[in-house]
Amino acid sequence: QQQVKQSPQSLIVQKGGISIINCAYENTAFDYFPWYQQFPGKGPALLIAIRPDVSEKKEGRFTISFNKSAKQFSLHIMDSQPGDSATYFCAASRWGYQKVTFGTGTKLQVIP
Amino acid sequence: DGGITQSPKYLFRKEGQNVTLSCEQNLNHDAMYWYRQDPGQGLRLIYYSQIVNDFQKGDIAEGYSVSREKKESFPLTVTSAQKNPTAFYLCASNSPGPSRELFFGSGTQLSVL
Repeated sequence: QQQVKQSPQSLIVQKGGISIINCAYENTAFDYFPWYQQFPGKGPALLIAIRPDVSEKKEGRFTISFNKSAKQFSLHIMDSQPGDSATYFCAASRWGYQKVTFGTGTKLQVIP
Repeated sequence: DGGITQSPKYLFRKEGQNVTLSCEQNLNHDAMYWYRQDPGQGLRLIYYSQIVNDFQKGDIAEGYSVSREKKESFPLTVTSAQKNPTAFYLCASNSPGPSRELFFGSGTQLSVL
């Protein structure tokens, strides 16, 4: 019930391409779905987040697509750049609960 | 400069030894968390604290202990009972409210000698 499944585990994309990372959740009580970006040797930082009352949220080159009926959400990185090379974690949480459930992470490498 | 400071950046533990990881925040956040990161396993919650002098076990608390004597500080002790302590440890904080954003420190890499 508390799992968030993330795929793929790793991803190689050419510069200028689109990177797509997918997540699926089980607990329908989750109501907040953030994505975190982590560079090597650093802590994760919030990239973008969505709530289930909208199907898409865009911030610059980063877009979250959300499918409530399928219990899936995905991160799209348009015009991927070498500086986007990092590990990305999807996550989910529920109002009133302190716990955040994280996916297993996707290591993205953008090659020139 | 507001943020979360973790120290040390690298730590080595000998067999049977307890070690303590430091986490300090100046964000005035009420809640603080400890996560363990292993390759391919994401972030797993060890302990969290919502207020001073109170803390709860997360998903993998065995072999760890914490204290929360000050709002700014949430140290984690890795005890000798933790048989597989090698991992990257992350401290985080946030405040209650609609944002729910977690703010992370830069982590401590713990290795066994």
